[in-house]
Amino acid sequence: GENVEQHPSTLSVQEGDSAVIKCTYSDSASNYFPWYKQELGKRPQLIIDIRSNVGEKKDQRIAVTLNKTAKHFSLHITETQPEDSAVYFCAASSGGSYIPTFGRGTSLIVHP
Amino acid sequence: KAGVTQTPRYLIKTRGQQVTLSCSPISGHRSVSWYQQTPGQGLQFLFEYFSETQRNKGNFPGRFSGRQFSNSRSEMNVSTLELGDSALYLCASSPEPGLAGTDTQYFGPGTRLTVL
Repeated sequence: GENVEQHPSTLSVQEGDSAVIKCTYSDSASNYFPWYKQELGKRPQLIIDIRSNVGEKKDQRIAVTLNKTAKHFSLHITETQPEDSAVYFCAASSGGSYIPTFGRGTSLIVHP
Repeated sequence: KAGVTQTPRYLIKTRGQQVTLSCSPISGHRSVSWYQQTPGQGLQFLFEYFSETQRNKGNFPGRFSGRQFSNSRSEMNVSTLELGDSALYLCASSPEPGLAGTDTQYFGPGTRLTVL
């Protein structure tokens, strides 16, 4: 089955800095890569996703890049703000089961 | 559209008891997945139901079971509760897993289960 590794587990930045979270996956058949943000005590919310036919996708301060050859994808947050503080999960959907496998999460802390 | 809802939001049980959790998906969504979330293990997949059939199953013991009704609402049951079952149980719905553009999962707020 699919295996997703996510790094780092904790990321601490100053407000205004950029943050990058990286994930690798094992199943070359995976074709859908969503990112979720989970604030303390709340549900995971989809913030951006990318499909295997696209190399990069951007939405305001958030961008995701995908390298299919190396089997890794990354979340980039620019001009971080304190409200970006949360746990971020990456996931990969294998073409077989369609059920996403999640990384273990990255706790992002943005210091004012 | 209303989002995914889960009931109850909090539950306290003792070891050996059983518990049933409920999930109502977004209207029109036919797939419901269940996850266990713990601080150490992240989001662990339990099972997925589509059109009242369990299509996918994670690596959990048989004490964990579920079902889906004709209106797509789903329940999960945990029998003979253990201390290690304490976790946040999340359900997620999607319109049509496997179909590009309709496979995104939307999560409910979760049920916080504490086993004493």
